[in-house]
Amino acid sequence: DTAVSQTPKYLVTQMGNDKSIKCEQNLGHDTMYWYKQDSKKFLKIMFSYNNKELIINETVPNRFSPKSPDKAHLNLHINSLELGDSAVYFCASSQLKSMNTEAFFGQGTRLTVV
Amino acid sequence: AQSVTQLDSQVPVFEEAPVELRCNYSSSVSVYLFWYVQYPNQGLQLLLKYLSGSTLVKGINGFEAEFNKSQTSFHLRKPSVHISDTAEYFCAVSKKAAGNKLTFGGGTRVLVKP
Repeated sequence: DTAVSQTPKYLVTQMGNDKSIKCEQNLGHDTMYWYKQDSKKFLKIMFSYNNKELIINETVPNRFSPKSPDKAHLNLHINSLELGDSAVYFCASSQLKSMNTEAFFGQGTRLTVV
Repeated sequence: AQSVTQLDSQVPVFEEAPVELRCNYSSSVSVYLFWYVQYPNQGLQLLLKYLSGSTLVKGINGFEAEFNKSQTSFHLRKPSVHISDTAEYFCAVSKKAAGNKLTFGGGTRVLVKP
C-alpha cells in the first residue's frame, strides 16, 4: 500500500544509454513532481505535472523528458546519459488545490552512470 | 524567487541532549514552510509544516518548529534526541501560486552520539 512508488530503486548504466524511471502514486493526488538530489544532497525540482499537463519545467537539459500517461503516473526518460546525471531522483505527489499542501515522496532511484 | 538557507551543514549532538536546526528563507510573497527528514538511503518524510495560524508547530517524533515572520526563520527543535534521529534534515518553502514547488535548503546532517 505504498503511497508513492518508484522503479527501479537502483540503476547502473553506461554513458550514452537511454533509461527510464517510473513513478506511480495511489493517493489520488492531481500533481506529481520529479526532484534531483545531487552528490552533496542538494535537492532541486525538475518537472511537475498537474492532471497530465506540464506546469513546472525548470532549467533541465532536453535529454530529460517527463511523460504522464495519467494523473497517477509520471515517468522520466533520459536520453544519452552523461556522468553528471548520476544522482538520486525522487518522485513526489501532492494535491494542488488543497489547504493541505504536503508533498509525499517516493523512496528514490539512485542512478549511477559509468 | 524564494531561497532557503540552512546555516549548519552538520550538527553533532549527544543522545538525550536538545538540538536546534536553523533555517532562514527569503521570499517576496507569503510562503508555506516545511521540514523533511531523510534517513540513510530513504526518501523524504514530512516532520512538520506551517501553513497559517499558530507560529509554533508540533510535528512527529517530538519535533517542533517556530515560524518567525520578522526574522524570516523557521528553526526546528527537539528537547531530547535519540540515536534514531541521526539523519539529514531539510527545510523547504513553497508558494501556492508556483504549483506547490518546493525550494529546499542545503540540508543539515544530525549525528547523534551515544
